[in-house]
Amino acid sequence: KAGVTQTPRYLIKTRGQQVTLSCSPISGHRSVSWYQQTPGQGLQFLFEYFSETQRNKGNFPGRFSGRQFSNSRSEMNVSTLELGDSALYLCASSLEPNSPLHFGNGTRLTVT
Amino acid sequence: AQSVTQPDIHITVSEGASLELRCNYSYGATPYLFWYVQSPGQGLQLLLKYFSGDTLVQGIKGFEAEFKRSQSSFNLRKPSVHWSDAAEYFCAVGTMNYGGSQGNLIFGKGTKLSVKP
Repeated sequence: KAGVTQTPRYLIKTRGQQVTLSCSPISGHRSVSWYQQTPGQGLQFLFEYFSETQRNKGNFPGRFSGRQFSNSRSEMNVSTLELGDSALYLCASSLEPNSPLHFGNGTRLTVT
Repeated sequence: AQSVTQPDIHITVSEGASLELRCNYSYGATPYLFWYVQSPGQGLQLLLKYFSGDTLVQGIKGFEAEFKRSQSSFNLRKPSVHWSDAAEYFCAVGTMNYGGSQGNLIFGKGTKLSVKP
């Protein structure tokens, strides 16, 4: 069974631009969560989606948004990029919200 | 507010030696507790989890962890470390929102483990 797939693996953007990251969960998994990982702040929860509905949202500005499609694939979008948005963005999927999380390898975003 | 503290940023142990990684949490109710491992350039892999019941939890790769409510701790142990265990280890607590959803985890800052030959 294929694991969680995140695309692209690496991304370089300029301040002020916007970016969309994609996550394909493990087949059959209906819950997707997103995390931001930085050396300074560590791993921070962004959002959780289940059956196309946002269940939880972390403490991030409105520039960070996400959505989940009917096939459970998820995207997150960051608008008006700032230098501080440079991070590894990790997606995790689970069968349902109370099931163990399976993480992808992440998308490394660099904002210049 | 919930929080997780991993006091040791970096630990070095010799191959074959025992290992204990510390984790302390702050949470008002019974927590869901997890240990994850991350190798360079990789995502996180779940080592073990504690929801309830037996306070000594067995995980993959020979790891175990013990939940001690009185000390608010969930330390990770391994009796004999292998070179392949070198990685970063994260302790996490799951909140009880929405019936204990695991999607919203609060992570510690991690402990980097180096293994000497």
